[in-house]
Amino acid sequence: DTGVSQDPRHKITKRGQNVTFRCDPISEHNRLYWYRQTLGQGPEFLTYFQNEAQLEKSRLLSDRFSAERPKGSFSTLEIQRTEQGDSAMYLCASSFLMTELFFGEGSRLTVL
Amino acid sequence: QKEVEQNSGPLSVPEGAIASLNCTYSDRVSQSFFWYRQYSGKSPELIMSIYSNGDKEDGRFTAQLNKASQYVSLLIRDSQPSDSATYLCAGDTGTASKLTFGTGTRLQVTL
Repeated sequence: DTGVSQDPRHKITKRGQNVTFRCDPISEHNRLYWYRQTLGQGPEFLTYFQNEAQLEKSRLLSDRFSAERPKGSFSTLEIQRTEQGDSAMYLCASSFLMTELFFGEGSRLTVL
Repeated sequence: QKEVEQNSGPLSVPEGAIASLNCTYSDRVSQSFFWYRQYSGKSPELIMSIYSNGDKEDGRFTAQLNKASQYVSLLIRDSQPSDSATYLCAGDTGTASKLTFGTGTRLQVTL
């Protein structure tokens, strides 16, 4: 399967711990997006990369959040000093120039 | 005004009927729109995109865009129980293909 892959699918952590999520986009896609979705809401944009450059970050992305895409392929999203409000589904999506985004299965974070 | 607005539902339709899902958008959203289907606990799946005024059909799905009224809709013909899901409307805010999503409309297709 050559779809968007995310890992881990589920993460339970204690408040104050750091967590990292990985996303492998569709191989020919040069754009990679991170979204966050909470129950009953639509996905909210966090940040996006074109190749290895991070071109936009939402104001939702506090200083505790950092994302990288070191070689323009996979990306990581790290959350430092997690808070209970960080509990959500973290979605990665990719696209190739066009606007149609294809999402991975998501990484569900639960902060206790 | 939110950039993309949807009625949260639930919208209940009997099997075989037409389901009509609606979405309105603000001036900040540009002219590309997308409908995603999301099953409970799963990630959004792209089902339709529409870029120009008018209708676009794909199988049992028809997307309609009315730029003058800032209105997008999705029609599902011959609704099946497997269509029961949340349908997310998304618009391109014009900044590097960043999509803004509505909160979704939950569709229930009853037997």
